[in-house]
Amino acid sequence: GQQLNQSPQSMFIQEGEDVSMNCTSSSIFNTWLWYKQDPGEGPVLLIALYKAGELTSNGRLTAQFGITRKDSFLNISASIPSDVGIYFCAGHTYSGGSNYKLTFGKGTLLTVNP
Amino acid sequence: NAGVTQTPKFQVLKTGQSMTLQCAQDMNHEYMSWYRQDPGMGLRLIHYSVGAGITDQGEVPNGYNVSRSTTEDFPLRLLSAAPSQTSVYFCASSYSSNGANVLTFGAGSRLTVL
Repeated sequence: GQQLNQSPQSMFIQEGEDVSMNCTSSSIFNTWLWYKQDPGEGPVLLIALYKAGELTSNGRLTAQFGITRKDSFLNISASIPSDVGIYFCAGHTYSGGSNYKLTFGKGTLLTVNP
Repeated sequence: NAGVTQTPKFQVLKTGQSMTLQCAQDMNHEYMSWYRQDPGMGLRLIHYSVGAGITDQGEVPNGYNVSRSTTEDFPLRLLSAAPSQTSVYFCASSYSSNGANVLTFGAGSRLTVL
């Protein structure tokens, strides 16, 4: 089945630094989604990408749908302590008829030192 | 709108006991699903439903049962709990955007099986 390789597994940064994380796959994806999970909570959607090459921003967050449709990255600029959490990428692959399969990466744990 | 509501938030079981994790959504979403989250494993799909009366297995269905009698509710049943089922469980529901499901997650249910 499809696998998403998400990296890095964890990051320790200082407040104010920029952050970059990415997901890659050998499969072609129709959508890319980025979620954030705060400690003790469920994942919350940050950004959804629907077209190859699409670049979308949400405040200090920017994500891009890779032109090959096999990768995506998420950048966070000027990090703040509340950016702490686990960031998941996820993507849809077409599985026939009107069905899509959603696959999650294993997550990037972000720690921000004030 | 409450979104996706999961109960209980915490539960401790003994091996062999049964229990049901409840999930309800008030967004009139057709698609609902259950995931488990384990350290280093990301989110793994247990069961899903594309509408009332329709359920199907995900990646890790063994030991779990589901039913979908209404659009709003999608309970997850453990008939005979095992220590390997110690995990954090997330219910999610989704609308379809551009042919793909964008998930809204509940806050999670942390289960410990002794």
